[in-house]
Amino acid sequence: GAGVSQTPSNKVTEKGKYVELRCDPISGHTALYWYRQSLGQGPEFLIYFQGTGAADDSGLPNDRFFAVRPEGSVSTLKIQRTERGDSAVYLCASSVRVQETQYFGPGTRLLVL
Amino acid sequence: AQSVSQHNHHVILSEAASLELGCNYSYGGTVNLFWYVQYPGQHLQLLLKYFSGDPLVKGIKGFEAEFIKSKFSFNLRKPSVQWSDTAEYFCAVSLYNQGGKLIFGQGTELSVKP
Repeated sequence: GAGVSQTPSNKVTEKGKYVELRCDPISGHTALYWYRQSLGQGPEFLIYFQGTGAADDSGLPNDRFFAVRPEGSVSTLKIQRTERGDSAVYLCASSVRVQETQYFGPGTRLLVL
Repeated sequence: AQSVSQHNHHVILSEAASLELGCNYSYGGTVNLFWYVQYPGQHLQLLLKYFSGDPLVKGIKGFEAEFIKSKFSFNLRKPSVQWSDTAEYFCAVSLYNQGGKLIFGQGTELSVKP
């Protein structure tokens, strides 16, 4: 079946702009996770959803970052007033339930100029 | 803070050589353990996982890993690598009471020479 999809695959923006990154999880997966991967590093946890609610947002670096999952399926990661340090690959993963195996999408490569 | 350490940043092997990639974590409680692989141009894929039971787990493509609780380790092994194993390998840990969020190591890049 279809895997996790993420759009756009690449996003170039200017410092100070607002961006939205979208994640479509595997159908029927109730848990959804966002990670950020900088060059030469492993992915770092940002936030995860159980259904519609954010169960743990402890990884969000500051209040410029926000994520929603209004209907318990698609999720959007929103970044306000982007900074050059936000440049990274943003990964989304989903699992059938919390604590189960996570399946990753291809990521969105964000470049802030 | 909990962390995952992968000892080798870049490993270069010839085909048919044996592979062992080290992974240690710092957390005293119950953990689930994973190895993910990222082939060039592709997304992260699960190689194998340990949740409970037999500490020696077998994954896809001939890979296996052994969980040694006393050493907080989960090393990845393959007896004979192939050129197609060239990829980046990530060890990850999820803590039992923290919702499944993964803590990743920094990754090991494996290059296999034909």
